[in-house]
Amino acid sequence: EVQLVQSGVEVKKPGESLKISCQASGYTFSTYWIGWVRQMPGKGLEWMGIVYPGDSQTRYNPSFQGQVTLSADKSISTAYLQWDTLKASDSAMYYCARRNTGSSWDYFDLWGQGTLVTVSS
Amino acid sequence: EGVVTQSPGTLSLSPGERATLSCRASQSVGDNFLNWYQQKRGQAPRLLIYGAYKRATGVPDRFSGSGSGTDFTLTISRLEPEDFAVYYCQQFGRSSLFTFGPGTKVEIK
Repeated sequence: EVQLVQSGVEVKKPGESLKISCQASGYTFSTYWIGWVRQMPGKGLEWMGIVYPGDSQTRYNPSFQGQVTLSADKSISTAYLQWDTLKASDSAMYYCARRNTGSSWDYFDLWGQGTLVTVSS
Repeated sequence: EGVVTQSPGTLSLSPGERATLSCRASQSVGDNFLNWYQQKRGQAPRLLIYGAYKRATGVPDRFSGSGSGTDFTLTISRLEPEDFAVYYCQQFGRSSLFTFGPGTKVEIK
């Protein structure tokens, strides 16, 4: 089955670090970009960045540049989203999604189930 | 490039009615790189329409997309109970990459 499975709920304190994961199965992981999308409570979708597992290229939304780090390990078909220093404002649901891109199309066609991150003292 | 608006914010309709959702980009969306997603409460988003009018795999034909340039529309011809959800449009741009609109909530009247 083609799917993205994300790591579980996280509860952290401000200042702590965190790395959440997104494991792909059922397709060739290294040939599709993986995107990350934030959804704050009761709010809309915000694109954070993308990573290409084949060569670990990344591109970030300027709003998130320097705030998070994207990476991928193609040997285990897993992408990661990482924070070095969490803030309360990082509390949100985070989704990974597979990017399907071509000459005249570009969209996210496969989504993970989401990872809920709560940052509170 | 990079600013997307949607209207209305909320659409209150009854099952069986037609829903028309609008999406406007601040600059022309090249090659119709405009997509629509559906998000039901407590679920991940799901791709509905890509390239402005192409239905994703498994999407019922009551969903249709249209438009070009800066103005796009998602139409649900006859609302089914499972269609009440939030709908996001999203544009792809060469420099700004992915920008989502704020969403339109389709609720039961």
